[in-house]
Amino acid sequence: QSVLTQPPSVSAAPGQKVTISCSGSSSNIGNNYVFWYQQFPGTAPKLLIYDNNKRPSGIPDRFSGSKSGTSGTLGITGLQTGDEADYYCGTWDTSLNAVVFGGGTKLTVL
Amino acid sequence: QVQLVQSGAEVKKPGASVKVSCKASGYSFSDYYILWLRQAPGQGLEWVGWINPNSGDTSYAQTFQGRVTMTSDTSIRAAYMELSRLRFDDTAIYFCAKDYGPDSFGWYFSDSWGQGTLVTVSS
Repeated sequence: QSVLTQPPSVSAAPGQKVTISCSGSSSNIGNNYVFWYQQFPGTAPKLLIYDNNKRPSGIPDRFSGSKSGTSGTLGITGLQTGDEADYYCGTWDTSLNAVVFGGGTKLTVL
Repeated sequence: QVQLVQSGAEVKKPGASVKVSCKASGYSFSDYYILWLRQAPGQGLEWVGWINPNSGDTSYAQTFQGRVTMTSDTSIRAAYMELSRLRFDDTAIYFCAKDYGPDSFGWYFSDSWGQGTLVTVSS
């Protein structure tokens, strides 16, 4: 059981937009910054978004992040088949004194 | 460029210990925490803890308290994670990662990862 809640899967057609939600509580998302990883099978995670809505260099602006209250959201526009991957949200939890993650969302680009 | 290279796959028996190494290059090793995470087969990411290579300070997730030890050797730019009293459910890929650092408000995430080390616990 993950501390943060994500939908297990989302899907959309190429070129469309998709959003992935990440729900937490006041001890984690509500008072800390959210980051997002993209992970392809057999590889290490890749940082997509940090500090709720910032993109590391090299990450296209098709990827965006936002936060409201105790929830974060990852948005991906102009979907490509190469975006098919697992996406994880994470943040610091001040009660658990640990980084916590969502269970991951598998994106399918139909 | 930043590179983290981890040691190879391990197979251990229940009750044994495993020590995974992580050798860093391409940045000032002492200036950034090293994070450790794991991922069981087909499962999500799980936080293990961090080490400050400069001071040796560590912080471990409650789940691993008493079983995990993180160390570092700045002379060879290496970090280590040792997990003892292994159980079957410790079977996972263990990742080291370089903390993003001071240019963020958030804590303990990374843009540079090792390739992962598969630890299999099997009798």
